[in-house]
Amino acid sequence: SQTIHQWPATLVQPVGSPLSLECTVEGTSNPNLYWYRQAAGRGLQLLFYSVGIGQISSEVPQNLSASRPQDRQFILSSKKLLLSDSGFYLCAWSVVRNTEAFFGQGTRLTVV
Amino acid sequence: RKEVEQDPGPFNVPEGATVAFNCTYSNSASQSFFWYRQDCRKEPKLLMSVYSSGNEDGRFTAQLNRASQYISLLIRDSKLSDSATYLCVVRNSGNTPLVFGKGTRLSVIA
Repeated sequence: SQTIHQWPATLVQPVGSPLSLECTVEGTSNPNLYWYRQAAGRGLQLLFYSVGIGQISSEVPQNLSASRPQDRQFILSSKKLLLSDSGFYLCAWSVVRNTEAFFGQGTRLTVV
Repeated sequence: RKEVEQDPGPFNVPEGATVAFNCTYSNSASQSFFWYRQDCRKEPKLLMSVYSSGNEDGRFTAQLNRASQYISLLIRDSKLSDSATYLCVVRNSGNTPLVFGKGTRLSVIA
């Protein structure tokens, strides 16, 4: 069966520090991969999605970036965190063609 | 107009009650529809897909009205464990990401 791993679960980082969040999927090939962010009391905001290795679509211009170095690995990065980057970051995967997406357990990031 | 709109609630209902959530979507070309459930401080989890003919899963019934661009979720015989935020979700075409509503919060009270 397919599983998605996302780490770390919780992170506290100072303003201006770098960020790297990693997500891996097991049990499937060529998944669509997504990064969402949920700020406190708000809905899920799509940040990036990828339909294949090296293919990244950005939905929201900001100081975050994403990379997909391997088929089942999706990385979210920042060179310098802002206070407004605090939130609940969720990685998700789906197969193609009108299917649902499955989420990792999320990383709760607090920028201080 | 937001792509997916939901009444944020909260809906506070007693155990055993029937509660209905509504959702509207703006893109008439939307192809797939889902309801997700999100518990506090947890990731969203798929509750059920929504099919054109309507579908039922135990106490949960989902309906889709493409003409009105409207999706509903009905929960019968509410349990305390149903307390959560319910997210209406739409996908516009096969490879595009899911678009989430902001969710409707449900509290089932003993």
